[in-house]
Amino acid sequence: DTGVSQNPRHKITKRGQNVTFRCDPISEHNRLYWYRQTLGQGPEFLTYFQNEAQLEKSRLLSDRFSAERPKGSFSTLEIQRTEQGDSAMYLCASTPIETQYFGPGTRLLVL
Amino acid sequence: QKEVEQDPGPLSVPEGAIVSLNCTYSNSAFQYFMWYRQYSRKGPELLMYTYSSGNKEDGRFTAQVDKSSKYISLFIRDSQPSDSATYLCAMMSTGNQFYFGTGTSLTVIP
Repeated sequence: DTGVSQNPRHKITKRGQNVTFRCDPISEHNRLYWYRQTLGQGPEFLTYFQNEAQLEKSRLLSDRFSAERPKGSFSTLEIQRTEQGDSAMYLCASTPIETQYFGPGTRLLVL
Repeated sequence: QKEVEQDPGPLSVPEGAIVSLNCTYSNSAFQYFMWYRQYSRKGPELLMYTYSSGNKEDGRFTAQVDKSSKYISLFIRDSQPSDSATYLCAMMSTGNQFYFGTGTSLTVIP
């Protein structure tokens, strides 16, 4: 399968815990984006990477969120001290140039 | 004003109908236009991608862009129950950021 994969697919955690999500993009795509999506809304931009460099972060991204893309391959998104408002679908998108291919998403529920 | 406006619906049509989905935008710098289909609890799936004004057809789907009016459309011919999903429009300028509509929920009734 040469598509975008994300793990885990589902995560349930207690408020205050840290969580980490992983995204494996399409190998020849050098840009990778993270989005958050809540019910009835479109994907909301969080951050993006060009190879291993994190080029932009949303102003909405609090300091509890951090993302990495070591060696320009897979990427991780970590949320520290989770809050109930963090419950959402977290989507990763792999981008060649001018369009995006999404993974299946990680659904996070913070209790 | 949001960068991209999309009527959330819901839209309900009988099987075989022609469906028209629309988005408007405010940023004249947008150059690339996409439509995604998203089934419940799944990631968005790319349906169509266009660069210029005009029409692009792919099977039962036609994407239309009118840059002068800042208006894009997706038409679905001979709609099927399997087309029931949320449809998202997306746009990109030269700044590498993508902007999404809120999605239109479509139900095709057999």
